[in-house]
Amino acid sequence: GENVEQHPSTLSVQEGDSAVIKCTYSDSASNYFPWYKQELGKGPQLIIDIRSNVGEKKDQRIAVTLNKTAKHFSLHITETQPEDSAVYFCAASRGGGATNKLIFGTGTLLAVQP
Amino acid sequence: DVKVTQSSRYLVKRTGEKVFLECVQDMDHENMFWYRQDPGLGLRLIYFSYDVKMKEKGDIPEGYSVSREKKERFSLILESASTNQTSMYLCATYRQGDEKLFFGSGTQLSVL
Repeated sequence: GENVEQHPSTLSVQEGDSAVIKCTYSDSASNYFPWYKQELGKGPQLIIDIRSNVGEKKDQRIAVTLNKTAKHFSLHITETQPEDSAVYFCAASRGGGATNKLIFGTGTLLAVQP
Repeated sequence: DVKVTQSSRYLVKRTGEKVFLECVQDMDHENMFWYRQDPGLGLRLIYFSYDVKMKEKGDIPEGYSVSREKKERFSLILESASTNQTSMYLCATYRQGDEKLFFGSGTQLSVL
């Protein structure tokens, strides 16, 4: 089955710097890669996702890149702000329905220092 | 926006007790999930349901069961709680069109 590895487990950056979180997956049939952000005391929320037919997707200060050959994908946050401090989870699935279950990474605790 | 409500934010139970965790959604989604969140282990799927009275085991179903008698409600049951079931439990629904998961705020369960 699918296995998703996520690094680093913790990341501390200064406000205004960039942050990068990396994930690798094992199932070459996976084609859907979402990123979820979990703020303190809340459930995870989808912030961006990418499918295997594109290599990069951007939404304001966040971007995700996908390298299908190497089977890894990354989350990039530019101009970090204190409100970006949270736990971030990557995930992978074969897509196409709920029965193709999402497999989550182990999470990255991002701390943005003001 | 989708609302997923978990009945308790914090719960303390004794070893051997039967525990019910309740989850209610307001968006008529067919698919609902129960995850367990532990530090360093991420989110692990316990059970999911794709329709009323239908269920399927996830990756770590041992010691748990579920019930879905109505579309909007999905319950996680710990038949006989044990200390290794101390964890954060997250309920989620799934929107078919964009494959987005909507999570509740979680229930932090402590089994003493």
